Amino acid sequence: EAGVVQSPRYKIIEKKQPVAFWCNPISGHNTLYWYRQNLGQGPELLIRYENEEAVDDSQLPKDRFSAERLKGVDSTLKIQPAELGDSAVYLCASSLWAGTPRGEQYFGPGTRLTVT
Amino acid sequence: AQKVTQAQTEISVVEKEDVTLDCVYETRDTTYYLFWYKQPPSGELVFLIRRNSFDEQNEISGRYSWNFQKSTSSFNFTITASQVVDSAVYFCALSEAEGYQKVTFGTGTKLQVIP
Repeated sequence: EAGVVQSPRYKIIEKKQPVAFWCNPISGHNTLYWYRQNLGQGPELLIRYENEEAVDDSQLPKDRFSAERLKGVDSTLKIQPAELGDSAVYLCASSLWAGTPRGEQYFGPGTRLTVT
Repeated sequence: AQKVTQAQTEISVVEKEDVTLDCVYETRDTTYYLFWYKQPPSGELVFLIRRNSFDEQNEISGRYSWNFQKSTSSFNFTITASQVVDSAVYFCALSEAEGYQKVTFGTGTKLQVIP
C-alpha cells in the first residue's frame, strides 16, 4: 500500500514569490493534516481536514497561507507571498479519521522549502 | 496547555550500547495519549508507540522499551543494543483523549549511533 505522497520534495524560491505543495494521503484516510516543522523543532499543526472540510485551521496564518482539499482526497497548501521565515519542512499526514486510532497519523516525507 | 519537553538535544552512542531518550510532559487532562515517533534522514515520521494515560504498564518491542511513569509525568524510551539504523531524530508527543486529540510534539532528540 502506498504511503502519503508529497511533492515536490524540495523547493527554493525568492521571497515574495508564491509556492504550492501537494499531498496525496493514504487511500481511504478521511483525515488529512498539514504541519510545519522548523529546524530543530517538532512538527506544528497548520490545518486539519475531515474529508473536504477544514475543521481546525486556527494555526494557519491566513493572510498568506491557504489550503484546499476539494474532493476530500488530495490537498494543496499554498503560500503567497512567501517570506524568509517560511523556510521549513512542510509535512502532510493522514489518518483514518481523527478519533480512531488516536494519533496514528501516517506522515509523508515532507517538502523542504527554502526562501531566499 | 500541553507541553512536551525533550531535554536531550543530541545523543551519541557507540553501536551495541543501550540508550535512553527522556520525555517529560505537562497536561491538565486526566486522560491523554503519549507517543513516540522516529524521523530518519529521509524525513517522514514513523509511528513507534502509543500509550494511554490509564495504562502505566511498561512495554517492550524487540530492542525498544518504554517506561511510562505518571507520577513523574515521564515517558522514556530505551533502545537496547543500539544499531546504526537507529540513528534518527526521535519525537515524543502528547494528545488529549477527548474531542479532536490535537497532537503536541516535543523538540526531538537526535540520536547518532556510531559504528
